[in-house]
Amino acid sequence: EPEVTQTPSHQVTQMGQEVILRCVPISNHLYFYWYRQILGQKVEFLVSFYNNEISEKSEIFDDQFSVERPDGSNFTLKIRSTKLEDSAMYFCASSENQGVREQYFGPGTRLTVT
Amino acid sequence: AQSVTQPDIHITVSEGASLELRCNYSYGATPYLFWYVQSPGQGLQLLLKYFSGDTLVQGIKGFEAEFKRSQSSFNLRKPSVHWSDAAEYFCAVVPYSSASKIIFGSGTRLSIRP
Repeated sequence: EPEVTQTPSHQVTQMGQEVILRCVPISNHLYFYWYRQILGQKVEFLVSFYNNEISEKSEIFDDQFSVERPDGSNFTLKIRSTKLEDSAMYFCASSENQGVREQYFGPGTRLTVT
Repeated sequence: AQSVTQPDIHITVSEGASLELRCNYSYGATPYLFWYVQSPGQGLQLLLKYFSGDTLVQGIKGFEAEFKRSQSSFNLRKPSVHWSDAAEYFCAVVPYSSASKIIFGSGTRLSIRP
């Protein structure tokens, strides 16, 4: 069964450093998403992406964040200058089309900012 | 205000007992409704979804959920739980007005008593 994959599974970085979290969505999916879950809190929407453009973003997704689909398979989330409060589990998701509104989630990348 | 509420933070049931996890939503129009499960250290797996039609929906792993419009509820049920059902369960919605983002409840942690 096709699945969303994410790398790395765990990333440790120092405050102020840039990080790139990578995701490979399901191959025929066209809509891509990032969510985060701070330890002990609910899962929060960050951004959705379609046709090489951001289609929706939350208040959390400020100028420190960016997303990109650099090639036909990868979908990345970049945090330019990490802060301690960026420590969280980051989930990538993809969906076949907007009408279905069913998103398939990857296993997540745990980001630890020290 | 628009919200998804899971009133139970933690529930413990005996193996073989029945289970009901509560979820209430507050939106102007009926949103699309989902239940996800997150096992420790794992990503989010879709259990079931409701878009329209029959208000009792069947999902994977023997779970079902019933949509009750009058109560704005979408409770998850299982007639007999197994030790492997121990996990965090998230009710979620995609508002009808939204392009894409999933709004998650705060989650209910399920423990199974041997």
